[in-house]
Amino acid sequence: GESVGLHLPTLSVQEGDNSIINCAYSNSASDYFIWYKQESGKGPQFIIDIRSNMDKRQGQRVTVLLNKTVKHLSLQIAATQPGDSAVYFCAEKLNYGGSQGNLIFGKGTKLSVKP
Amino acid sequence: DAGVTQSPTHLIKTRGQQVTLRCSPKSGHDTVSWYQQALGQGPQFIFQYYEEEERQRGNFPDRFSGHQFPNYSSELNVNALLLGDSALYLCASSPGQGDYEQYFGPGTRLTVT
Repeated sequence: GESVGLHLPTLSVQEGDNSIINCAYSNSASDYFIWYKQESGKGPQFIIDIRSNMDKRQGQRVTVLLNKTVKHLSLQIAATQPGDSAVYFCAEKLNYGGSQGNLIFGKGTKLSVKP
Repeated sequence: DAGVTQSPTHLIKTRGQQVTLRCSPKSGHDTVSWYQQALGQGPQFIFQYYEEEERQRGNFPDRFSGHQFPNYSSELNVNALLLGDSALYLCASSPGQGDYEQYFGPGTRLTVT
């Protein structure tokens, strides 16, 4: 089965509020994590990534937190806007002893932003 | 700079037929990965091509095969189509096999009837 899953399948927030999307992973060997945004009818769009030697990384309006102890990943979106409405996927990449593994995606969380 | 492009955008096939999907990677990228995304699910890794060879493969039957050309473009072939093969097929490219961001194309929507 899938090793990456999300705690909440849907999330509804008010415009201007902060959003937090959570993700659990089960592979201790994963050393690279990515958040993708997918709008209807489009392919996944890269948001932010983080390597396992970090616990926090910030981008423009987004922050990813990695807690390796509990195998938890989160995406924080500040001042959420209607254009942020989409399905968000976390993905992990296993490190097979030096050779890089493929991306393993979770099922996704649908974020709806109310104006 | 064109990103990842895929063709066709939509395709309808009959059960038992064969299909070929095409992908052109982002400029400067030499690694192409293919994913299958069923409705309401996350993408599932099919295989990855680098230097014209299949380097990694996910849990997909041999009916799924691929090819990479010298210009780094790639094809995904599916034989003996099943109804369950209906999905969005995504191509992603990256500048190598390591921890690089994978850029995704818009996908090809395959419907098998």
